[in-house]
Amino acid sequence: GAVVSQHPSWVICKSGTSVKIECRSLDFQATTMFWYRQFPKQSLMLMATSNEGSKATYEQGVEKDKFLINHASLTLSTLTVTSAHPEDSSFYICSARDATGGQPQHFGDGTRLSIL
Amino acid sequence: KQEVTQIPAALSVPEGENLVLNCSFTDSAIYNLQWFRQDPGKGLTSLLLIQSSQREQTSGRLNASLDKSSGRSTLYIAASQPGDSATYLCAVRGGSEKLVFGKGMKLTVNP
Repeated sequence: GAVVSQHPSWVICKSGTSVKIECRSLDFQATTMFWYRQFPKQSLMLMATSNEGSKATYEQGVEKDKFLINHASLTLSTLTVTSAHPEDSSFYICSARDATGGQPQHFGDGTRLSIL
Repeated sequence: KQEVTQIPAALSVPEGENLVLNCSFTDSAIYNLQWFRQDPGKGLTSLLLIQSSQREQTSGRLNASLDKSSGRSTLYIAASQPGDSATYLCAVRGGSEKLVFGKGMKLTVNP
């Protein structure tokens, strides 16, 4: 089945550090990738939709300058949390949909980000 | 604005029981509905996808039904096993690509 690889799986860093998270579709091409954030005992909240070769579309309330998204190829999207602070600590999950359309979204294993 | 609700938030059952997990959504104009499983600290595994024109989907011991007009879906798990313990989320997709998730239901199946 379709596989989405997310790296790293766990990051601990100091406040003020910028952190990059990678999301790769391993066996299919993804024109669209999605970035979610999940707080403990809460559901996934969509942060932004990433389209290959164009600017990401951010959900209301998500700071685009804080969460930089790049989708440079059909198999890779990156999320950079700039100048991270403790309130950015969360579980970040990406998903990708096969470019052929009509397929379910496939999710990565997530990245646990802890800012000290 | 679409809202997805899953009640109860948690369920603990003995092994072997047949289970029904409920999901409701407020806007019936959906493209599809998807059930996921999430293990602690992990991402999501897609279990079943039901298109808006379909009534149900089956995979092994899992069966999901969709009643779009009433805004409801159920996930039926037959003969539950301890390995089924996880959080189960349902999500609906509207006209855009976006998925709207419920908060999930944490299932514990006791040996």
